[in-house]
Amino acid sequence: EDQVTQSPEALRLQEGESSSLNCSYTVSGLRGLFWYRQDPGKGPEFLFTLYSAGEEKEKERLKATLTKKESFLHITAPKPEDSATYLCAVVRSNDYKLSFGAGTTVTVRA
Amino acid sequence: DTGVSQNPRHKITKRGQNVTFRCDPISEHNRLYWYRQTLGQGPEFLTYFQNEAQLEKSRLLSDRFSAERPKGSFSTLEIQRTEQGDSAMYLCASSYGTANEKLFFGSGTQLSVL
Repeated sequence: EDQVTQSPEALRLQEGESSSLNCSYTVSGLRGLFWYRQDPGKGPEFLFTLYSAGEEKEKERLKATLTKKESFLHITAPKPEDSATYLCAVVRSNDYKLSFGAGTTVTVRA
Repeated sequence: DTGVSQNPRHKITKRGQNVTFRCDPISEHNRLYWYRQTLGQGPEFLTYFQNEAQLEKSRLLSDRFSAERPKGSFSTLEIQRTEQGDSAMYLCASSYGTANEKLFFGSGTQLSVL
């Protein structure tokens, strides 16, 4: 069974204080790893897809990286509007459904 | 592109009642998914449609749950004889294409069973 573990569960940052979120996964035949952002009371919003070890994607202050066992989401110089829950999910080869981790809730204080 | 629409946004019901939720996916999307999310957890897969065909149902989906997608357009999720453990956010997502797992989620229906 696929396992996706995210750490830490919660992260409190000062505005401008860079940090990283971890997503470790166990899946037989990874097709892709996904990062989503979720605001309270809303559905998840797509951020990135990573397909192979060594791949990196960037969007504004966010950068996602992938190894064979884990992915990192780096937040550089965060702003209060980056406060959200960040979800990691994997899709197995020959499959289509996402298996999500429990998420990391990030709070950025001004 | 108006996004994925879910109705109602909130539903409060008494234990034992039946409830039905509706999802309108992005119009050109042929795949539609239902997920369930409880507080502090990530979404859990419930079921999946490609066009009008329901291709997979999770073990989480007891026989009290039924989903339909008539004509491959909107979808409904019905829960019969609700239980307090059914309280959760029910999320609908859609996607397009044969190998595109980039899902677009709706804002969900928050169900509270009293």
